Amino acid sequence: DAGVIQSPRHEVTEMGQEVTLRCKPISGHDYLFWYRQTMMRGLELLIYFNNNVPIDDSGMPEDRFSAKMPNASFSTLKIQPSEPRDSAVYFCASSSDRANTGANVLTFGAGSRLTVL
Amino acid sequence: DAKTTQPPSMDCAEGRAANLPCNHSTISGNEYVYWYRQIHSQGPQYIIHGLKNNETNEMASLIITEDRKSSTLILPHATLRDTAVYYCIVRGYYNTDKLIFGTGTRLQVFP
Repeated sequence: DAGVIQSPRHEVTEMGQEVTLRCKPISGHDYLFWYRQTMMRGLELLIYFNNNVPIDDSGMPEDRFSAKMPNASFSTLKIQPSEPRDSAVYFCASSSDRANTGANVLTFGAGSRLTVL
Repeated sequence: DAKTTQPPSMDCAEGRAANLPCNHSTISGNEYVYWYRQIHSQGPQYIIHGLKNNETNEMASLIITEDRKSSTLILPHATLRDTAVYYCIVRGYYNTDKLIFGTGTRLQVFP
């Protein structure tokens, strides 16, 4: 398995532009998580899905952020409009309660580094 | 709502054992101890987890005290590639028990 795949790896955009980050989870995993990491706030859980359904979005900072999971193999995190304070590394992770290694064993992608000018 | 306390940084000589402590005095009976690490610029990586028994895998060993109020992650022969931030997290077993990262311990392995 190629692991969790995220794209783009780097994105530089200007304030006000729409940003879309993409994630392909590990096949067979039924949980997908979006995290954000900054120097000031560390790793923060934004939202997670189970079987493509959003379960908890309490970490989403504001209405400018939205996440979707149209099918089991694809998820997007969208920021519209983007602001400089959204600059961060965004990680996607997937997991399964049925995995051999056990639940809460998340496999993370390499991250998408976003810079908003 | 961090439930763990870790030293902010530690050093270890290459080839020696690295022992990373974690205090979790408020852990409840159904909560596990998870360890993850994050090497610079990479996504966090799962290392090991346990409930009350000591655990060992190809990466590390986890020693949990009998009262479960603290634990130690042991990297038996640290290498330069083990330089990373190590996170100790206390959570329930299922994915609905959200994995919340604290500030971790920055381990520096030196030659």
